[in-house]
Amino acid sequence: AQTVTQSQPEMSVQEAETVTLSCTYDTSESDYYLFWYKQPPSRQMILVIRQEAYKQQNATENRFSVNFQKAAKSFSLKISDSQLGDAAMYFCAYRSPYSGNTPLVFGKGTRLSVIA
Amino acid sequence: DTEVTQTPKHLVMGMTNKKSLKCEQHMGHRAMYWYKQKAKKPPELMFVYSYEKLSINESVPSRFSPECPNSSLLNLHLHALQPEDSALYLCASSQGWTDSDTQYFGPGTRLTVL
Repeated sequence: AQTVTQSQPEMSVQEAETVTLSCTYDTSESDYYLFWYKQPPSRQMILVIRQEAYKQQNATENRFSVNFQKAAKSFSLKISDSQLGDAAMYFCAYRSPYSGNTPLVFGKGTRLSVIA
Repeated sequence: DTEVTQTPKHLVMGMTNKKSLKCEQHMGHRAMYWYKQKAKKPPELMFVYSYEKLSINESVPSRFSPECPNSSLLNLHLHALQPEDSALYLCASSQGWTDSDTQYFGPGTRLTVL
């Protein structure tokens, strides 16, 4: 079974600075999908970024980018120019590709605080 | 449009009550999910409905029962719940037919069982 580990329960960053959230995973599959979701106090789980394992190029979405190291099974999220609205719980998640309804495997989350 | 809606936003019920949570999406997605999330924990999958087939997490007690009236609606019927069932209940949907499926979540229903 796949597992996802987020080793930082809490992180903080100054506004406008850059922060990196760590995620490692364990799998025997060669093809899979990785996600970062953000859950602000409003509770809604919002997709931040997605990475296909077969793509070597790291995914980026505006201020959010990932450092995907397949051999190391590492998938960290970098947030540049941090904003107050980035404060939230961030979950790293893994999904197998073999059918459209396979479940997400979540890490335990990292709570990010942004300091004005 | 990646909107999944859930009603109600908040629900308080007694242990003898029967209530239902509703989830709706109009993205043409063919897979829908119910997750339970306790405070400061990640979501845990309860049910998957994909192409009219239900997959159940075997650890989910029978006091929770999903119903899929049509491909855009997924209800969760609640009966004889326990206080430990108090949690945030999240619904999600995905296309269901592509390898590169992404799940989109609704805003959740905060359930309190007294």
